[in-house]
Amino acid sequence: DQQVKQNSPSLSVQEGRISILNCDYTNSMFDYFLWYKKYPAEGPTFLISISSIKDKNEDGRFTVFLNKSAKHLSLHIVPSQPGDSAVYFCAASASDFGNEKLTFGTGTRLTIIP
Amino acid sequence: EPEVTQTPSHQVTQMGQEVILRCVPISNHLYFYWYRQILGQKVEFLVSFYNNEISEKSEIFDDQFSVERPDGSNFTLKIRSTKLEDSAMYFCASSRRQGVDNEQFFGPGTRLTVL
Repeated sequence: DQQVKQNSPSLSVQEGRISILNCDYTNSMFDYFLWYKKYPAEGPTFLISISSIKDKNEDGRFTVFLNKSAKHLSLHIVPSQPGDSAVYFCAASASDFGNEKLTFGTGTRLTIIP
Repeated sequence: EPEVTQTPSHQVTQMGQEVILRCVPISNHLYFYWYRQILGQKVEFLVSFYNNEISEKSEIFDDQFSVERPDGSNFTLKIRSTKLEDSAMYFCASSRRQGVDNEQFFGPGTRLTVL
């Protein structure tokens, strides 16, 4: 069941540059998307979300873009900082009543090079 | 800042034994969840819980699993007879409401090792 896919298992970016993490989904019922960041031995930490009525949401250095027709979303981090090095998970949910589970992608390990 | 807490951080058990994983969700949250992550795999949904009953469960959540909110603060996951393949990180999460903008906040996880 690959309803949410993150095709890049890893990404390395120079400090100060832009990091772009990508996520694709197949289930057209998904209408809410989230990005989580995870450090080793910790739980996922919520970063930013977007509902399907929007195509962009921005919070500080983090911006999420949603392309519903392509069933694609991306997370932009600019400028990238060493503390951003972590595994990033894309997650999606369908907000109809009683269906609140998050479906996660496999994650992308981001390494910021000083 | 309020956070979800989980105990223990690491549980080692023998195959066939019962384990109870404990969580304290954020105090004004109403929706509670368990997820797990087997080493090297993605985070998978197990069960959601609202108003003292299960609202959704995955096919992983079979008769060996149960959840309970025994008091006003704790949320527990019980595995009745553990199997080797139950070894994983188990994450509890909570959210204030459902629908759009229902960010789920995760605890640090319990690493379960079944020998």
